[in-house]
Amino acid sequence: AQKVTQAQTEISVVEKEDVTLDCVYETRDTTYYLFWYKQPPSGELVFLIRRNSFDEQNEISGRYSWNFQKSTSSFNFTITASQVVDSAVYFCALSEADSGAGSYQLTFGKGTKLSVIP
Amino acid sequence: DSGVTQTPKHLITATGQRVTLRCSPRSGDLSVYWYQQSLDQGLQFLIQYYNGEERAKGNILERFSAQQFPDLHSELNLSSLELGDSALYFCASSGGQRGSYEQYFGPGTRLTVT
Repeated sequence: AQKVTQAQTEISVVEKEDVTLDCVYETRDTTYYLFWYKQPPSGELVFLIRRNSFDEQNEISGRYSWNFQKSTSSFNFTITASQVVDSAVYFCALSEADSGAGSYQLTFGKGTKLSVIP
Repeated sequence: DSGVTQTPKHLITATGQRVTLRCSPRSGDLSVYWYQQSLDQGLQFLIQYYNGEERAKGNILERFSAQQFPDLHSELNLSSLELGDSALYFCASSGGQRGSYEQYFGPGTRLTVT
């Protein structure tokens, strides 16, 4: 069965600090997809990134970067020069290539609550 | 704005009642997923529909059911409500069976059972 672990429940940083959110996953599939979502205080879930299991290239998007390491089953997320607007709960999620008959249901971690203090 | 709409935004009802939550997917998306977010269980997958057909079931109670209509909007029906059903219910849509794998979420419906 697939599982996503976000060991950090809450993190507080001072504005402009860098912060890394950890995500470790378990799956028996060789093809799978990893995701990060952001849930700000307003409650909606905002898609941030998807990575495929066969593509281990790290990615940078503005102040965000993602480090995917298959060898350690990790998909960590770093925010550089954090800002108050980054305060949110961040969820890592896993989808196996075909959970059954064309389903790509997401298995979420418990989330990491990030507070950026001005 | 993800393009996924959900109504109502808030719902307060009593135990034993039945409610219907509605979701309209992004234009062109064929798949609709329903998730429940509660404090104790976190975000859990409930059920998925693809182009009107049920595709996958997760931790969905027998008291809950869903359907997807020809215009692709979906409804989640919750009956014989219990206090523990209070949660935020999200629907998400994606681009189809072998299409894009990102799921875009609606704003959610917050259900409070009193």
